Amino acid sequence: KAGVTQTPRYLIKTRGQQVTLSCSPISGHRSVSWYQQTPGQGLQFLFEYFSETQRNKGNFPGRFSGRQFSNSRSEMNVSTLELGDSALYLCASSPEGGNTIYFGEGSWLTVV
Amino acid sequence: AQSVTQPDIHITVSEGASLELRCNYSYGATPYLFWYVQSPGQGLQLLLKYFSGDTLVQGIKGFEAEFKRSQSSFNLRKPSVHWSDAAEYFCAVGAELTGGGNKLTFGTGTQLKVEL
Repeated sequence: KAGVTQTPRYLIKTRGQQVTLSCSPISGHRSVSWYQQTPGQGLQFLFEYFSETQRNKGNFPGRFSGRQFSNSRSEMNVSTLELGDSALYLCASSPEGGNTIYFGEGSWLTVV
Repeated sequence: AQSVTQPDIHITVSEGASLELRCNYSYGATPYLFWYVQSPGQGLQLLLKYFSGDTLVQGIKGFEAEFKRSQSSFNLRKPSVHWSDAAEYFCAVGAELTGGGNKLTFGTGTQLKVEL
């Protein structure tokens, strides 16, 4: 069974631009969550989606948003990029009713 | 709110030596506990998990961890470290959220260096 797949793996954006990251969960997993990893703040929970609905949200500004499609694939969007948004963005999925969370390889975002 | 403490930022061990990475958690209920490993430039790979039952859990790559409720600890161990174990290790506590779903709270990680 394929793991969590994230695209793109690496990208560079300019301050003020927006970015969209994509995630395909493990087949059969309906919960998709996103985490941000930075050297200063570590791993932080962004939000979680289930059945196309945002079910939980972390403490991030409204510039960070996401969505989930009917096939459970998810995208996250960051608008008006700031230098501090440079990070590894990790997508994770878990099965319905399950508590184990499986991560993808991440998308490395650099804002210049 | 839950929290996780990994007191060791860096650890260096010789290949073949035993390893113990420390993790302490704070959580009001019975925790779901995890250890993940991250190699440079990679995502997080699940090593092992504890939900309930036997307090000594076995994971992949020869790792094991012991849940000690009295000490609020979930330390990761390996009897004999291999050079390929060099990576960053994260302990995490999982919380069920009121709206459903789960959220992981991570420790700050322990960077493991293996000397040949």
